[in-house]
Amino acid sequence: NAGVMQNPRHLVRRRGQEARLRCSPMKGHSHVYWYRQLPEEGLKFMVYLQKENIIDESGMPKERFSAEFPKEGPSILRIQQVVRGDSAAYFCASSLQGANTEAFFGQGTRLTVV
Amino acid sequence: RKEVEQDPGPFNVPEGATVAFNCTYSNSASQSFFWYRQDCRKEPKLLMSVYSSGNEDGRFTAQLNRASQYISLLIRDSKLSDSATYLCVVNIAPGNTPLVFGKGTRLSVIA
Repeated sequence: NAGVMQNPRHLVRRRGQEARLRCSPMKGHSHVYWYRQLPEEGLKFMVYLQKENIIDESGMPKERFSAEFPKEGPSILRIQQVVRGDSAAYFCASSLQGANTEAFFGQGTRLTVV
Repeated sequence: RKEVEQDPGPFNVPEGATVAFNCTYSNSASQSFFWYRQDCRKEPKLLMSVYSSGNEDGRFTAQLNRASQYISLLIRDSKLSDSATYLCVVNIAPGNTPLVFGKGTRLSVIA
């Protein structure tokens, strides 16, 4: 009964490279959310996806960031041309029902841009 | 007014103490409320949902006051292991909208 699985746990990228963060939701969950947490800050909502659909991307930066949740496979958060300010912990969560229900988090991916 | 607001603390309390956290939210139409716990450099973990009638889980009691738009978390008989950051979480608009997290209240339980 695996929980939400994220990989990699730690990712180091040089400025200008691409970062790909993966998230497999809990078994049976079709709702996925990505949050970003800066050091000593709260979690900021980025995007909400259901299989093959983006439901709410109001928290996503307009440029360089994209997310998908294909029919098969994990959800991917992609950051192109990373900058130092992208360094943060990125958490994925999933829920069984809609976005206003209990969500369960993965262990996060810590992205460091050097 | 911030969407979800919490006292950042820190709250430093001795073992065995009772401690209470409050959280206010901005949208009176919010429907879902939770408390999560986050340990340093770990993921948030669901502590409990908050129901209109209030609910209790062992040493933890959560209450909702819709009229004043706040929720509370009471921890009785604090343990060292309760030291963490407690996150107030609300779906800030009615319907299928993502959960919004407060910045958290840090608790340190001291021996």
